[in-house]
Amino acid sequence: EVQLVESGGGLVQPGGSLRLSCAASGFTFSSYWMHWVRQAPGKGLVWVSRINSDGSDRRCADSVKGRFTISRDNAKNTLHLQMNSLRAEDTAVYYCVRRTGILGATFDYWGHGTLVTVSS
Amino acid sequence: DIVMTQTPLSLSVTPGQPASLSCMSSQSLLHSDGKTLLYWYLQRPGQSPQLLIYEVSSRFSGVPDRFSGSGSGTDFTLKISRVEAEDVGVYYCMQGIHLPYTFGQGTKLEIK
Repeated sequence: EVQLVESGGGLVQPGGSLRLSCAASGFTFSSYWMHWVRQAPGKGLVWVSRINSDGSDRRCADSVKGRFTISRDNAKNTLHLQMNSLRAEDTAVYYCVRRTGILGATFDYWGHGTLVTVSS
Repeated sequence: DIVMTQTPLSLSVTPGQPASLSCMSSQSLLHSDGKTLLYWYLQRPGQSPQLLIYEVSSRFSGVPDRFSGSGSGTDFTLKISRVEAEDVGVYYCMQGIHLPYTFGQGTKLEIK
């Protein structure tokens, strides 16, 4: 059974840092591109970042560029999102998402999400 | 960035009746390989989003056949032939052709 379990969320002050993790199981993690998608309270879905299967190609949304870094450890079947210089507008549930297929955004499995709250 | 526009923003449907949700993109979603990279996701209350339809019209594994997707280029539709109580939630369309991938605002489906 495919499972994606996020952790690392919590309350942080503006300007602070957090590192989110996503533990993957039930599939060959190293074969899949992975993404982070976030959802502010009561709002819609927003794509944040993605990484290819071997970690050599990373992209992110302009709103987080220079502050967030996606990475992965294929030996430990884990996806990370390092978030620095956090702002109030980064407050959201962050979902770890698996992409299937060779192009596009067929997000076939989503984690349960981890809540990040940026507030003083 | 590609803008995805969904209509209506909310929909109230009697069980057993059909529902039609629309999604428009500001640019064509036709990829050079011939695939159109438009997706539909459902987020039930209190749950993570789940994939319903990929590449305009392909139902994901386990999705009931009362859900169907259609469209081309920039205009797309998700149809539910007979709405059931479990269909309640917010439906999002999403484009997967250009980064940043973008979602529509969502259509909230309620049961009358």
